[in-house]
This record gives sequence, structure tokens and C-alpha cells, in this order.
Amino acid sequence: AQSVSQHNHHVILSEAASLELGCNYSYGGTVNLFWYVQYPGQHLQLLLKYFSGDPLVKGIKGFEAEFIKSKFSFNLRKPSVQWSDTAEYFCAVRSGATNKLIFGTGTLLAVQP
Amino acid sequence: GAGVSQSPSNKVTEKGKDVELRCDPISGHTALYWYRQSLGQGLEFLIYFQGNSAPDKSGLPSDRFSAERTGGSVSTLTIQRTQQEDSAVYLCASSSDSSHYGYTFGSGTRLTVV
Repeated sequence: AQSVSQHNHHVILSEAASLELGCNYSYGGTVNLFWYVQYPGQHLQLLLKYFSGDPLVKGIKGFEAEFIKSKFSFNLRKPSVQWSDTAEYFCAVRSGATNKLIFGTGTLLAVQP
Repeated sequence: GAGVSQSPSNKVTEKGKDVELRCDPISGHTALYWYRQSLGQGLEFLIYFQGNSAPDKSGLPSDRFSAERTGGSVSTLTIQRTQQEDSAVYLCASSSDSSHYGYTFGSGTRLTVV
């Protein structure tokens, strides 16, 4: 069965620190990859997505993610985090065989001012 | 509407009672999804609708859970004889036929079974 692993459950950073959140998936075929963000008290929002082409995708608010097919990974990065990036981040994968997204368990990011 | 609307936003119910959760997707979105979000569990897929039919209901935890969609629009998720382990946030999302748009999520219904 497809699965998504997010290795970091809780990350604490100071403002201006660099961020990398890991995401690995288990599916060998064609995949679409997503990162969603849930700010405190708000609904899930799409941060960025990969479908094809350039494996380095840029999203909103300075976030980017790199699809490395050989490693089944889609790690999220941001060079310099801000306090307002405090949120829970979810990686998700959609395989070519299904329309549903499979989500990871999420990473709670706390940025200290 | 402009977004995915879910009601109620909060529901407290007694163990053993039935509950109905409602989702109004974005107008024109043919695909609709229900997920459950529990603390530390991430988002758990429940069921997917394409139009009024449910080609994938593999995530429904038990036969106490059912869902329907009418008119290719509103969907209701029903939980019968609620149990404490049903307490969670139930999220609805919709998308257009084109998979490139991803999902748009509603704000969820927080269900507490006491």
C-alpha cells in the first residue's frame, strides 16, 4: 500500500534559520506530490505541488521542494524562516492509479522570535 | 460558493448517538473527499466521490460510517452509534476533474463524543 513518511514530527527553529522537512513516499509509479500547510486555527492550504518537469518547485511564501525520484523523496525547504511560518506541514502523494491523496502524519513547526 | 463549506463547525454528542456532518463543495467541483484528522495521526482518507458515486470508500473505518452525495454537490457523512474513538476533526475537500488543481479543503467539523 502507498504510504508517506514524514520523519520530523516536531521541529523548533529560531527566526532566520534554514528549514528542511523530510518526506518520503512508497510508490514506484507516476506520482503527483504536494505540501500542504495548516496555520493555527485555519484550514489546510496548498503550499506547492509537483506534477512533472523541473523537479525543483517553488511555492508560496518562499518555500520550495525538490523531487528526487531515485530517493522517493520530496523534501520541503525554506532558506530563512519567519515566526509566521509556525504551522503544521503535511506532505501528500497521489499515485497515477487513484484520485485520492495519501498524507503523511505531519510536522509541527514552531518558529521562535 | 467561494470555498468548501462544512457544518457544523463543532459537534458534541453522547456516545451511542448518530451524527450527520455536511459538506458543500466548490461549485462545479465534481470530486469530493472526506478525511479524518486525529491528533498525531495525520489525515486519514475515508471516502472519495466522483459525481454522486463513490469509487473508493476503502477508508471508512466500520459499517457505522456511511456517506452520500446528491446532485453532484452536497455530501453528508453519517456516523451511527458514535464511539469515543470517533472523536476527531472531519475534513471535506473538493477538486475539479483536472488533477492539476489539487484539493481545496474546508475548515472541518470537530466532533467530540462524550
